Amino acid sequence: GAVVSQHPSRVICKSGTSVKIECRSLDFQATTMFWYRQFPKQSLMLMATSNEGSKATYEQGVEKDKFLINHASLTLSTLTVTSAHPEDSSFYICSAPERGGDEQFFGPGTRLTVL
Amino acid sequence: GQSLEQPSEVTAVEGAIVQINCTYQTSGFYGLSWYQQHDGGAPTFLSYNALDGLEETGRFSSFLSRSDSYGYLLLQELQMKDSASYFCAVRSLKAAGNKLTFGGGTRVLVKP
Repeated sequence: GAVVSQHPSRVICKSGTSVKIECRSLDFQATTMFWYRQFPKQSLMLMATSNEGSKATYEQGVEKDKFLINHASLTLSTLTVTSAHPEDSSFYICSAPERGGDEQFFGPGTRLTVL
Repeated sequence: GQSLEQPSEVTAVEGAIVQINCTYQTSGFYGLSWYQQHDGGAPTFLSYNALDGLEETGRFSSFLSRSDSYGYLLLQELQMKDSASYFCAVRSLKAAGNKLTFGGGTRVLVKP
């Protein structure tokens, strides 16, 4: 199946700093990518839909100024957590649907810990 | 809005059969997917049902009844490696790039 990568896999940062997470589709093009957040032993909560060449669409309750999304190319979307705080500590996962298919391919996730 | 209900946890022994039910309330339903996630890992696709009926893929099968807003995932001949969380997810609008809404997940624990 198609491969989606994420970088970094793990990051620890100080409160108040910004963290950028990259999501890449390695062997297919993705005009749309999705960003999820997952707390331990909980479900995946969709944060936003990343659209290549246009603004991201955020889910209700997600602050777009805090979670900046850029989808600059057909294979790369980035999520920047600005002014991170301890409550932002979570597992962030991206996914991309294969064009014309029923399956979504998930990245391996990024574990963010804010001290 | 969308909401999906599934049991939080199921325990079974190796070789057994487990059925994970999923009921949903959605607008613009297009299909029901199932994903497996091991602790600390990424979700991986198991199956997708757009039409009523049973889809079989090896030891795993998935069923959908659109009229009942209900589906299930059937795990047969359970193996230790099947211990994981299983999520049902509704695909709402085809035009929205396969946007998914996930259920709360069912943790399956397989015992020897």
